[in-house]
Amino acid sequence: GQQLNQSPQSMFIQEGEDVSMNCTSSSIFNTWLWYKQEPGEGPVLLIALYKAGELTSNGRLTAQFGITRKDSFLNISASIPSDVGIYFCAGQSNTGKLIFGQGTTLQVKP
Amino acid sequence: DAGVIQSPRHEVTEMGQEVTLRCKPISGHDYLFWYRQTMMRGLELLIYFNNNVPIDDSGMPEDRFSAKMPNASFSTLKIQPSEPRDSAVYFCASSRRLAGVSGANVLTFGAGSRLTVL
Repeated sequence: GQQLNQSPQSMFIQEGEDVSMNCTSSSIFNTWLWYKQEPGEGPVLLIALYKAGELTSNGRLTAQFGITRKDSFLNISASIPSDVGIYFCAGQSNTGKLIFGQGTTLQVKP
Repeated sequence: DAGVIQSPRHEVTEMGQEVTLRCKPISGHDYLFWYRQTMMRGLELLIYFNNNVPIDDSGMPEDRFSAKMPNASFSTLKIQPSEPRDSAVYFCASSRRLAGVSGANVLTFGAGSRLTVL
């Protein structure tokens, strides 16, 4: 079945540093989504990407939909303590089925 | 908009008992998804519905799991009988699909139901 490989699995960084994480797949997706999950809550959408090559920003977050449609990355610039959480990529096929990566746990040291 | 509403938020039960998790999707959303989250396996899609009809239930672990959507505003996920390995957080999510329009099928998640089976 479809699988997403997300890396790194975890990151421990200093406040102010930039962060980069990515997802790759053996399958092509029509949509890539990036979610953030905080303890005790459900994932919350950060950025949605709909076209190959698309580069989208949301504040300090930037994400890109890979040209091959099999990968995506998320960058966070100038990290702050509230960026702590688990970040998930998700790929969606044209049937609507959404598959999640394993998540990247981010910890930020003030 | 109250968002996706799930109940109960927490449930502790004994092995062999029946468990029913409930979900109220966002009004106007015609897709509903059930996910299970564990440390070992991450977020797994169990089943999803479109217009109350199950589309893909290939992620349902086994016959002990069943899901229904009797109407557009309510869905249940039932486990009978429950086992300790079913302990997880179960999420419901909904989305509105607009064919050919950007923004289609972006999922909104509920807060989850944390199930512990002793």
